[in-house]
Amino acid sequence: IAGITQAPTSQILAAGRRMTLRCTQDMRHNAMYWYRQDLGLGLRLIHYSNTAGTTGKGEVPDGYSVSRANTDDFPLTLASAVPSQTSVYFCASRLEAGGPTDTQYFGPGTRLTVL
Amino acid sequence: DAKTTQPNSMESNEEEPVHLPCNHSTISGTDYIHWYRQLPSQGPEYVIHGLTSNVNNRMASLAIAEDRKSSTLILHRATLRDAAVYYCILRSWTGNQFYFGTGTSLTVIP
Repeated sequence: IAGITQAPTSQILAAGRRMTLRCTQDMRHNAMYWYRQDLGLGLRLIHYSNTAGTTGKGEVPDGYSVSRANTDDFPLTLASAVPSQTSVYFCASRLEAGGPTDTQYFGPGTRLTVL
Repeated sequence: DAKTTQPNSMESNEEEPVHLPCNHSTISGTDYIHWYRQLPSQGPEYVIHGLTSNVNNRMASLAIAEDRKSSTLILHRATLRDAAVYYCILRSWTGNQFYFGTGTSLTVIP
């Protein structure tokens, strides 16, 4: 079982370019999440999806879009990258969106640098 | 979800017990206390969670104060592989998001 995979592992991107970060899980989890992690700021939620076909905005959604066409995949798109989007991006999933006991599983992360 | 407060950093000697504190004075009666940790260059991973009673698993123990306004993650014998950032998070029945703060960075000294 692979769990959650993310691609690419790292990327250097010119400002203004479009970029899609890929996330795939094989655990049949309904809920998926995208976080960014910046030094000194911890993990911040960008977008989430409670189930296939639905998405929602987190704390820092501006400049990012997501889609959830099926259960397994949850891509994150930067339509026109800016240097402030330089960060480490983590994808995560849970079996269900709600409830206080379910645990969240994280992917290995994508390190993105926007120049 | 209510917020938590943790020290920014802590140090421990290898093979010594480590007590990582977390304050959550605004916790509600139905909030669960979760702990995650993030090893260097990896995504966070689940450690343990509890509601009222102390909890033990193969990774750690969770001690919850009687008034539930604070909790302590206990690593019984710290190893170098335990060096990580530890996050204390509250989870409610109504919220569907995890709010990670900046956590506690644990350094284990050989």
